[in-house]
Amino acid sequence: DGGITQSPKYLFRKEGQNVTLSCEQNLNHDAMYWYRQDPGQGLRLIYYSQIVNDFQKGDIAEGYSVSREKKESFPLTVTSAQKNPTAFYLCASSPGPERDTGELFFGEGSRLTVL
Amino acid sequence: AQKITQTQPGMFVQEKEAVTLDCTYDTSDPSYGLFWYKQPSSGEMIFLIYQGSYDQQNATEGRYSLNFQKARKSANLVISASQLGDSAMYFCAIRLFNSGYSTLTFGKGTMLLVSP
Repeated sequence: DGGITQSPKYLFRKEGQNVTLSCEQNLNHDAMYWYRQDPGQGLRLIYYSQIVNDFQKGDIAEGYSVSREKKESFPLTVTSAQKNPTAFYLCASSPGPERDTGELFFGEGSRLTVL
Repeated sequence: AQKITQTQPGMFVQEKEAVTLDCTYDTSDPSYGLFWYKQPSSGEMIFLIYQGSYDQQNATEGRYSLNFQKARKSANLVISASQLGDSAMYFCAIRLFNSGYSTLTFGKGTMLLVSP
């Protein structure tokens, strides 16, 4: 079945450590996104990528980094510079600028807890 | 910049009754799309329904319908015949289509609890 796979589902890290969240899609979508969700809050955009080897900052990019070396993969690194990294992270994809209806297809999320 | 407001932090409804979840939006762009997503406790985001700004009729998808009032800039979600499985967070979102490439901007959500 086509879809978006995020791993790990749960992750615990010590303060000051970098951590990388994986996102893989087999939907043949060009665009991919990372959102952060805090309790009682909506989703806030961290980074997005419309095409391989290109990505743009979202509303809350500070303390995060991404790469887009393959169409299928869009990993997110939460660096030690991110002041409050404990959150639920959602990866999404969409067909891309030429084929988009606007709908995003989401993975099941990764819950990061920094101790 | 576009903005979505969901004023109901939580809503309660009895099984089999209808419920309306409110959503208002703010944009000066004439071309946009409005989306509703459901997020169960497991965390995944499930697409429910879409309304384009130029659509003449209100969108419907099974038990979900969207009460679109363009002049009031509101896009309320109506769930008919509520089921226990409808208990979840519900998010309204907007995407602009005339401002270059943009993605979805979400509201803060409404928690719906359906009781037996």
